[in-house]
Amino acid sequence: DVKVTQSSRYLVKRTGEKVFLECVQDMDHENMFWYRQDPGLGLRLIYFSYDVKMKEKGDIPEGYSVSREKKERFSLILESASTNQTSMYLCASNSGGVINSPLHFGNGTRLTVT
Amino acid sequence: EDQVTQSPEALRLQEGESSSLNCSYTVSGLRGLFWYRQDPGKGPEFLFTLYSAGEEKEKERLKATLTKKESFLHITAPKPEDSATYLCAVQTAQGGSEKLVFGKGTKLTVNP
Repeated sequence: DVKVTQSSRYLVKRTGEKVFLECVQDMDHENMFWYRQDPGLGLRLIYFSYDVKMKEKGDIPEGYSVSREKKERFSLILESASTNQTSMYLCASNSGGVINSPLHFGNGTRLTVT
Repeated sequence: EDQVTQSPEALRLQEGESSSLNCSYTVSGLRGLFWYRQDPGKGPEFLFTLYSAGEEKEKERLKATLTKKESFLHITAPKPEDSATYLCAVQTAQGGSEKLVFGKGTKLTVNP
């Protein structure tokens, strides 16, 4: 079974802090994704990566950056956290070699910025 | 603009009361449609992929169907453990790039 592990279930940070969200997958997947999920807005793609050191902007990249130094690890960085970044953050991965490969999600990090 | 709409937003059923959830889409170049289940405090869990109109997939009490404009998730004789939010997502291909568009989900509650 694919396992996508997010390092923290809950985080509370102050406005202006630099925040790191970590995600690790154990299935050798090429593709990794970061989403945020908000009530009434659904899942929105922040960034994704097709390969080590590669990154692509999603629909809402402003205020975020990412890092993928190893195939299994994808980090989301909030350079200067703001209250409107309070949200549930979901990491996902899938196989790049399989057409329509379904996403496998972690259990999320609920981030509160005060 | 690619759009995926799920209805109803919330559905409350009695145990054993069968019903359907709807996912309608307007996208260019459908590559596939996915159904996910999400329990509170957890990430979405993959259920089905449908590729073309007429296709059906089944798993326990769930059956997913696909037409050219919408997909249905039929729940037969639901149990309380089927309570969850069900998400639909459509994979599109446009201009050489692929995109996954999610609906906002249907929150299903099954009362014993």
